[in-house]
Amino acid sequence: DGGITQSPKYLFRKEGQNVTLSCEQNLNHDAMYWYRQDPGQGLRLIYYSQIVNDFQKGDIAEGYSVSREKKESFPLTVTSAQKNPTAFYLCASSIGAGVQFFGPGTRLTVL
Amino acid sequence: GENVEQHPSTLSVQEGDSAVIKCTYSDSASNYFPWYKQELGKRPQLIIDIRSNVGEKKDQRIAVTLNKTAKHFSLHITETQPEDSAVYFCAASLWRGGGADGLTFGKGTHLIIQP
Repeated sequence: DGGITQSPKYLFRKEGQNVTLSCEQNLNHDAMYWYRQDPGQGLRLIYYSQIVNDFQKGDIAEGYSVSREKKESFPLTVTSAQKNPTAFYLCASSIGAGVQFFGPGTRLTVL
Repeated sequence: GENVEQHPSTLSVQEGDSAVIKCTYSDSASNYFPWYKQELGKRPQLIIDIRSNVGEKKDQRIAVTLNKTAKHFSLHITETQPEDSAVYFCAASLWRGGGADGLTFGKGTHLIIQP
């Protein structure tokens, strides 16, 4: 999982602003995922992509958008439509067989 | 969609004793069940996983068992050590061969190892 990077580590956003979280992997993994983690909670799936130029909504996609223009990159945009965006965001990737490895995460705080 | 329930939410055991964490899932089609360990502020780390064609899997002090009929799987840690203290998450997903859906996670178990 050392080949998955997320930036920035900490992000502060004013209400009404869109922000984009970066996720890059150099593991040649086909599938990439975005999860949200709230304090004391498990991870919840936002979006995932199994191949370039294709992605599917997860359980909590409202207020978020993604793109998958390159195999190694899967950025997540948190839009102003997301009512409670303060959370720890984790990106993961998988070469297949379901095994997922996580990046270090981005902690987003809305001011 | 899939729903995963995890118990207990907190588990305190004496160092050297065993710990057991239990999960149930709702979708009988799920066929992949990983367990992750997460230390405070860090990323989840995969510690063991099991597929639906296997009933049990061991890796040193860690084992996972799966009962497909009951839709229940468990994590067993023997001879617990202070470094086992962390939050443990179970998860379930459907892997179709060409790709995997995202994981559905339980809410986590905070394991505390008492010296």
